[in-house]
Amino acid sequence: AQSVTQLDSQVPVFEEAPVELRCNYSSSVSVYLFWYVQYPNQGLQLLLKYLSGSTLVKGINGFEAEFNKSQTSFHLRKPSVHISDTAEYFCAVSSQGAQKLVFGQGTRLTINP
Amino acid sequence: GAVVSQHPSWVICKSGTSVKIECRSLDFQATTMFWYRQFPKQSLMLMATSNEGSKATYEQGVEKDKFLINHASLTLSTLTVTSAHPEDSSFYICSARPGTGWSYEQYFGPGTRLTVT
Repeated sequence: AQSVTQLDSQVPVFEEAPVELRCNYSSSVSVYLFWYVQYPNQGLQLLLKYLSGSTLVKGINGFEAEFNKSQTSFHLRKPSVHISDTAEYFCAVSSQGAQKLVFGQGTRLTINP
Repeated sequence: GAVVSQHPSWVICKSGTSVKIECRSLDFQATTMFWYRQFPKQSLMLMATSNEGSKATYEQGVEKDKFLINHASLTLSTLTVTSAHPEDSSFYICSARPGTGWSYEQYFGPGTRLTVT
């Protein structure tokens, strides 16, 4: 079975500062990895995904993530955040051949002016 | 990108009644649709996976007779919460995918907030 752990439930940062949201996963098979963003009272929007190939994945809104197989991590980063990045961020994993996503607990990113 | 809608966006119902939530893919045909449940400040928990024209596959611990899922067409799936109780109050989110492989993105609806009084 797969599981996802987001190590920080809340991350406060100042505007224009860099941010890293941490995600670790466990799986006995090869995986696909995803980061989603959820704004208040809305559904989820895909930020980026890793299926194969380059371990550094670039997504929308200036976010990127790096797949580290040896550390079973897929941390999300942005070099300079904006107030509009305030949202809940979810890391998710799926095993190759499976249809469903398993989500982490979520990290609430709060941007302070 | 592709759009998934849900209706209603919020609903209040009395305990013991049933409520139906619709999930539609507006500009693509959804081979597979998923239903999730999200409690306040918590993650999404997959309830069931449905493929058009076949019975839904429920996750362990989800009552099939309570949460009825019908994937009637390639653009519509419905979730009916039967004999709702206050503990069924939650945020229900659907998603849809145009194909069966992960090269196809899973698109999420805006969610439906159910409150059972």
